[in-house]
Amino acid sequence: DAGVTQSPTHLIKTRGQHVTLRCSPISGHKSVSWYQQVLGQGPQFIFQYYEKEERGRGNFPDRFSARQFPNYSSELNVNALLLGDSALYLCASSFPPAGGYNEQFFGPGTRLTVL
Amino acid sequence: AQKVTQAQTEISVVEKEDVTLDCVYETRDTTYYLFWYKQPPSGELVFLIRRNSFDEQNEISGRYSWNFQKSTSSFNFTITASQVVDSAVYFCALKSNTDKLIFGTGTRLQVFP
Repeated sequence: DAGVTQSPTHLIKTRGQHVTLRCSPISGHKSVSWYQQVLGQGPQFIFQYYEKEERGRGNFPDRFSARQFPNYSSELNVNALLLGDSALYLCASSFPPAGGYNEQFFGPGTRLTVL
Repeated sequence: AQKVTQAQTEISVVEKEDVTLDCVYETRDTTYYLFWYKQPPSGELVFLIRRNSFDEQNEISGRYSWNFQKSTSSFNFTITASQVVDSAVYFCALKSNTDKLIFGTGTRLQVFP
């Protein structure tokens, strides 16, 4: 069975541009979460979507947005990129019900570099 | 507020040595869950173990063992007879009744042959 997949693997953008990152959860998983991992730090929670609704949001500016599609895949959008947005963006999926004891499975991440 | 502290930034050992990675957490919730993840250079987070706040039994899985102590809010991870393949960054994480994981800053383990 395929794990969580993310695209693209790597991305280079310049300041002020917009970026869209994509995530496909494990088949049967309805919850998708996004994390940002800056070099040398632990992942920071950005969003969680469950059944196409936003269920949680971390402390990130409104330049960050996301959505979940009917097939449970998800997109993370970042507008007006800043140098500080350079990071590894991780997507995780989990089997419902969301929350609690259920394990999250992480994808390989998208490494975004902003120049 | 919830917080996870991994005070050890980097640990270096020689193969076959035992090594313990420390994790201290803070939460006001009575029900919570603790996790350890391994992040090799490829970047993908690999799940190692989870524990809920009502289960203080220690666990052993092969060369890995975990010691959960609510009295000290600690969830430490020990690798016995370390191997070069254990070299990675290890994260301890905490969550309550949502999918939001609170990660520590990680401990980089280097195992030399």
